[in-house]
Amino acid sequence: QVQLVQSGAEVKKPGASVKVSCRASGYTFTTYYMHWVRQAPGQGLEWMGIINPSGGSTSYAQNFQGRITMTRDTSTSTFYMELSSLRSDDTAVYYCTRQAEVGTYYTVNWGQGTLVTVSS
Amino acid sequence: QSALTQPRSVSGSPGQSVTISCTGTSSDVGGYNYVSWYQQNPGKAPKLMIYDVTKRPSGVPDRFSGSKSGNTASLTISGLQAEDEADYYCCSYAGSYIHYVFGTGTKVTVL
Repeated sequence: QVQLVQSGAEVKKPGASVKVSCRASGYTFTTYYMHWVRQAPGQGLEWMGIINPSGGSTSYAQNFQGRITMTRDTSTSTFYMELSSLRSDDTAVYYCTRQAEVGTYYTVNWGQGTLVTVSS
Repeated sequence: QSALTQPRSVSGSPGQSVTISCTGTSSDVGGYNYVSWYQQNPGKAPKLMIYDVTKRPSGVPDRFSGSKSGNTASLTISGLQAEDEADYYCCSYAGSYIHYVFGTGTKVTVL
């Protein structure tokens, strides 16, 4: 079965960077796009971007342009999301979530989430 | 890109029906039949309830249904049950530049 296992919680200072990982298993890694979504405490879901694991191409939400980098390592079936120049309002739970099927526009499988806390 | 607009909360008694609206623009909800709905319980990851406006994944009870008219999509829960109490988010594809946008979220309370 599809499993997405994310890295553990992080505490960062303002201005620092954070890199969250998402290890995928149970399917062919290069077939399905991976999305990243975040949720600030008590707030709604926010779409951050998407990566094609086959060639590594990415598209990012405008709100994160210039601060976000999504990568993947096909040798370990792991996705990464790095966010730089962290601010207090980047404190959130970050999720990876996989495209349901090729050519679809929704996701089914989600990681367990990674809490990133930005505090001085 | 602004979030899609949802009511902050809706409520109903067990057995009643509730409908959650999700209002966007012709560039997202109105432009594509790619609206999905997610249920989220506290401290948990979201769960897909509806995709492609009206389709229901296997395992999702048929009391959940989706629809769309113009720039507004809707999720209806018929025969409300206590276990349906959760937050619900819509999500729409918005083209190859914006890509995806979520709704503001709606808390469903079962009275």
